[in-house]
Formats: sequence, C-alpha cells, structure tokens
Amino acid sequence: AQSVSQHNHHVILSEAASLELGCNYSYGGTVNLFWYVQYPGQHLQLLLKYFSGDPLVKGIKGFEAEFIKSKFSFNLRKPSVQWSDTAEYFCAVNGYSGAGSYQLTFGKGTKLSVIP
Amino acid sequence: NAGVTQTPKFQVLKTGQSMTLQCAQDMNHEYMSWYRQDPGMGLRLIHYSVGAGITDQGEVPNGYNVSRSTTEDFPLRLLSAAPSQTSVYFCASSYTSQGKILHFGNGTRLTVT
Repeated sequence: AQSVSQHNHHVILSEAASLELGCNYSYGGTVNLFWYVQYPGQHLQLLLKYFSGDPLVKGIKGFEAEFIKSKFSFNLRKPSVQWSDTAEYFCAVNGYSGAGSYQLTFGKGTKLSVIP
Repeated sequence: NAGVTQTPKFQVLKTGQSMTLQCAQDMNHEYMSWYRQDPGMGLRLIHYSVGAGITDQGEVPNGYNVSRSTTEDFPLRLLSAAPSQTSVYFCASSYTSQGKILHFGNGTRLTVT
C-alpha cells in the first residue's frame, strides 16, 4: 500500500523567511503528486501538481515543488512567505491500485504559521 | 457553476442515530469520494466511486455506506452514529480517477454525543 510522510507537523516562520516542507512517499509505480492547501476554516484547494515532464513545478501564489524520483520526494518551497500563507498544507500521491483504479493518499498535513 | 455542494454544514447527532450527508457536483465528474479529517490524522478516504453504479471502500469504511445512483450525487450514510465518527467530512470529485485533481466541498462538521 502506498503511504505519504510529511516531516513537519507545525512550522512557524516570520514573514519573508523561506519555506521548505518535506514530503516523501512510498510507492513503486508511476505516481501523480499534489500539494493541497487548506486556509483556516476552508476546504482544501489545489496548490500544484506533478504528472510528468519537468520535475520542478510551479503553482499558485509563488509556490513550487521539486519531484526527486530517486528520493521518492516532492518537497514544497516558497522563497519568501507572507502572513496570508498561514494554512495547513497536504501532500498527496495518486498511484495505480489495480483494476483500473487509482488511489489518492494524503499525508497528515503540515500546519504553517507565519508571524507578521 | 456551483462545483461540489455539501449539506448540511453542521450536524449534531446522538449515539445510535442515523443520518445522510449529501454531496452533489455539477461538473460531470466521474470520480467522487468521501474523506474524514481529524486533527493530526490528515484526510482519510472513507468510500469512493469511479462512476454511477460503482462504489468501493477506502481506508476507513466501517460504519458508513454510500451509493452512486447518478453521476451528480454521492451521499454518505452513517448507519448508527458513534462518538468516534465526530469529525469534519469532505466530499471531493475529479474528472477521472487517474487525473485526480480533486475539487472539494466546503465540509460538514459532525459531532456525535
């Protein structure tokens, strides 16, 4: 079964600091990778995705993520965070689970608090 | 375009009661799913459907039933509510199971006393 591990439970940064959130997954086959963001009191929304091609993907609001296949990692980065980035971030992996079905598995989330 | 609509937004149940959480999407998505979100646990898949008439179990299906009689609707039924089912429930849909860019509803906060 596939699994997703997010290294940090809670990250606290000051505005303008750089951000990197770790995500590792375990799955032997081809995967699609995602980062979702959940702002306080809201539902999850897609931040960025990787399906194939350039392993460095750019998403909304200045976020980017790098897929490193050899390390089974898909870390999220942002050069300079803002207070409005305060949210919970979820890494997710979509892998083939057989019989034409794909299983999407979420990590447990990393809460980011940005201090003005 | 409403997207994914969940009702109700809040619900309080007593142990043993049953209820149905409604989910509807108007994007003609094949894939629909239900997750529960608990602090420190992330999102866990309860049930999913890859098309009308097809449902399957996810990671935590016990205590829940689903059906998919139409492409648009995917209700989640709690058969006999338990305090362990206190959670926030999200319905999500995507165009296909493979593409899996999920569109989420606004969630239902359920408390079982």
